Amino acid sequence: TQLLEQSPQFLSIQEGENLTVYCNSSSVFSSLQWYRQEPGEGPVLLVTVVTGGEVKKLKRLTFQFGDARKDSSLHITAAQPGDTGLYLCAGGSNYKLTFGKGTLLTVNP
Amino acid sequence: GAVVSQHPSWVICKSGTSVKIECRSLDFQATTMFWYRQFPKQSLMLMATSNEGSKATYEQGVEKDKFLINHASLTLSTLTVTSAHPEDSSFYICSASRGYLNEQFFGPGTRLTVL
Repeated sequence: TQLLEQSPQFLSIQEGENLTVYCNSSSVFSSLQWYRQEPGEGPVLLVTVVTGGEVKKLKRLTFQFGDARKDSSLHITAAQPGDTGLYLCAGGSNYKLTFGKGTLLTVNP
Repeated sequence: GAVVSQHPSWVICKSGTSVKIECRSLDFQATTMFWYRQFPKQSLMLMATSNEGSKATYEQGVEKDKFLINHASLTLSTLTVTSAHPEDSSFYICSASRGYLNEQFFGPGTRLTVL
């Protein structure tokens, strides 16, 4: 069984601060996806990384895939209240996704 | 692109009744769709994989006779919760897979409340 450990589980910060969310596994994934979910809605795909060592940027969000394709990180620079939400990492293997437990981020104004 | 809809967005039903939830990929065809269940402030739990034209594959511990899945076309999958009970109350989310990376695009979810 493939497991994804996501940390921290909860994070409450002030507007303007930086933060990093980690996603770790002992398994190798063919791809890793990051999603953001707001209450009462479905997750929205932010990015997919597939190559070991890959770095992708989406405005203030920076995503990195570990060299061994077992771990990933999401870094947010100068967080804003609009970044508040549940961030989920998901590892792709074959056709299914294995989800981490999520990081509930609250950015206070 | 990659828009997935779900209907209804919320439903309240009496214990013992059946409820059908529809999941549609609006702008792409999806041979594979997925059904998840999510409890408050928790991550998604995969219930089953729905394959167009064939039987669904259920995850361990998910009763296939309780949660009936039909994937009759490349744009529609349905989940029917049969003889619903209060413990079936939850947020149900579907997703559709697209592309060679098998990226999943999620619907907005259906909130089911069983009285």
